Amino acid sequence: DAKTTQPPSMDCAEGRAANLPCNHSTISGNEYVYWYRQIHSQGPQYIIHGLKNNETNEMASLIITEDRKSSTLILPHATLRDTAVYYCIVKGYSGAGSYQLTFGKGTKLSVIP
Amino acid sequence: DVKVTQSSRYLVKRTGEKVFLECVQDMDHENMFWYRQDPGLGLRLIYFSYDVKMKEKGDIPEGYSVSREKKERFSLILESASTNQTSMYLCATLQGAFQPQHFGDGTRLSIL
Repeated sequence: DAKTTQPPSMDCAEGRAANLPCNHSTISGNEYVYWYRQIHSQGPQYIIHGLKNNETNEMASLIITEDRKSSTLILPHATLRDTAVYYCIVKGYSGAGSYQLTFGKGTKLSVIP
Repeated sequence: DVKVTQSSRYLVKRTGEKVFLECVQDMDHENMFWYRQDPGLGLRLIYFSYDVKMKEKGDIPEGYSVSREKKERFSLILESASTNQTSMYLCATLQGAFQPQHFGDGTRLSIL
C-alpha cells in the first residue's frame, strides 16, 4: 500500500469549509484512497473513498488530482463535532490476506467556535 | 447503514482471567477483523476471518484466539489476560475488496 503524508494538525473556523490534504505520490493504478476519522475514545468512522473521480456523499467531498498523487477531503460546513483525527489511507488488494488497514498519524482537525 | 456492535465500551479485568470480547454485525459481511490500537503504535491486526469457522492470524496473534461460529458474530478471547494487553480493541467488517471497512465503537480494556 502506498505511503501517505498528512499535516499533523489543522484548525478550521466553525461553519467554514475544512480542506484536509493528503499526499500519496507512489500510489499505484489499482489503489483506492480512503478517508476515516476518529473522535477521541471512539472507533474509526468511514467517511468516503475513491479511485480517480471526485466523490461526494452526505458527509464530505473527495477531490483526487488528475495524476492521483494527492487528494483533498472537504467538509463543507465544519461543526464542533467534526473535531477529530482524520486518516488518509491508500489501499490496494491482492486477496483476503491483504485486507488489513494501517493508519498513519493522521491530521488532528480542531474546529474553532 | 452498517452497524458493528461491540459488547462493552469499557472493561476492567484482572491478570490471568479469561476475557471474551464480542462483536456483532448486521450487514451480512463476509470478512471480520479484530485490531488493537495503542498510542504511538497505530492500528495492529490481531486476527481476521473471511468466512464462518475460518480464521487467519494477523500481525500480533500471540495471547489471543478467536471464534466465528455464525456469520454475524466474531469473538476475541484473551486466554490468560496480562497487563500488556491493556488497550483499545476494535472490531471491523468488510464486504469485499475495494469496499471500506466499518468499525465498532471499540472496547477500552484495562488489565490490572
